[in-house]
Amino acid sequence: EDQVTQSPEALRLQEGESSSLNCSYTVSGLRGLFWYRQDPGKGPEFLFTLYSAGEEKEKERLKATLTKKESFLHITAPKPEDSATYLCAVVTQGGSEKLVFGKGTKLTVNP
Amino acid sequence: ETGVTQSPTHLIKTRGQQVTLRCSSQSGHNTVSWYQQALGQGPQFIFQYYREEENGRGNFPPRFSGLQFPNYSSELNVNALELDDSALYLCASSLRGVLGNTIYFGEGSWLTVV
Repeated sequence: EDQVTQSPEALRLQEGESSSLNCSYTVSGLRGLFWYRQDPGKGPEFLFTLYSAGEEKEKERLKATLTKKESFLHITAPKPEDSATYLCAVVTQGGSEKLVFGKGTKLTVNP
Repeated sequence: ETGVTQSPTHLIKTRGQQVTLRCSSQSGHNTVSWYQQALGQGPQFIFQYYREEENGRGNFPPRFSGLQFPNYSSELNVNALELDDSALYLCASSLRGVLGNTIYFGEGSWLTVV
């Protein structure tokens, strides 16, 4: 069974304190790995899709990387507005293009 | 702004009742998926519709059913509501076979069952 595990469950940072979120996965065949940001009471907001090991993508203070077993979301010099839950999900080979999600990492950035 | 709209945004139902949730997909997208997200959890896949046919189903009982219309909008129906059905229901829109077009979510429908 496909599994996605995110760590840590929660992370508190001071403004400007860089860190990384981890997403490890066990799947039969990876078609794509997605990162979403979710604010309380809202739907997930798309951030990145990664397709193959070694791929990297950046957007403002966020950078996502992918290996054969895990992905990292690096946050450089975070601001309070980066506070949110970050969700990782995979789409695997075959069948419907469903997303299998991890439970998310709740990030709080204090001013 | 993802172009995926859901209605209603919030609703309260009584155990045993039935509910219908609606979703309009992003223009040009032919695939709609529904997810259930309980508090503190990641979204769980319910089912997917592609060109008006069910194209994959998660581990949800038959009282969860759906429809997709010719304009690719979709409905999620839940019969015989249970307290555990209380959750955020999310609709996701995509273009099947073109993963690079990514998967966009609506803002969700909050269902409370009392």
